[in-house]
Amino acid sequence: GQSLEQPSEVTAVEGAIVQINCTYQTSGFYGLSWYQQHDGGAPTFLSYNALDGLEETGRFSSFLSRSDSYGYLLLQELQMKDSASYFCAVRDRAGSYQLTFGKGTKLSVIP
Amino acid sequence: ETGVTQSPTHLIKTRGQQVTLRCSSQSGHNTVSWYQQALGQGPQFIFQYYREEENGRGNFPPRFSGLQFPNYSSELNVNALELDDSALYLCASSHPQANNYEQYFGPGTRLTVT
Repeated sequence: GQSLEQPSEVTAVEGAIVQINCTYQTSGFYGLSWYQQHDGGAPTFLSYNALDGLEETGRFSSFLSRSDSYGYLLLQELQMKDSASYFCAVRDRAGSYQLTFGKGTKLSVIP
Repeated sequence: ETGVTQSPTHLIKTRGQQVTLRCSSQSGHNTVSWYQQALGQGPQFIFQYYREEENGRGNFPPRFSGLQFPNYSSELNVNALELDDSALYLCASSHPQANNYEQYFGPGTRLTVT
């Protein structure tokens, strides 16, 4: 079956760095995406890794190790507005936008 | 460039009824996917449409069906509603040449089945 594991909750201090891990077990793997969702809002795209290594976009970075079926999202210089749920999602079918999502990690940023 | 829009925002239906949800894709996006998100869970893939054809389906029964129109807008139909169908229904559109497979999500339709 398909499964993605990520911590359910993380709390961090404003200005700090936080890492959200994701391990996956899927029948196919064509890339790992990360989405942010504020309460009552739509998921918004943060990053995508198809190959091993680190992708950096401003304060956000994402890492992938295909041999370990593992990835993480790194958020630096945390701001209060970063309080949200973060989902890892695997693209598990070639030529498709179909995503299998994890259950999400609720990040709380405290002063 | 307008974003993804969905209607209605909220909907209350009775068990056994049928419902149609609508989605207008972002301009230039010819692929649309539908997801169901239960409270406290991640979105679950229902199906995907590309150029008016279904080209991928998740683990949902046939009473979940869809359509995509020539202007790439889309509908999700659910027949014989069950209490467990209560959820946020999200549609997402994608640009055909996006090499990061980014999906643009709409704000969702909150369906409550009583």
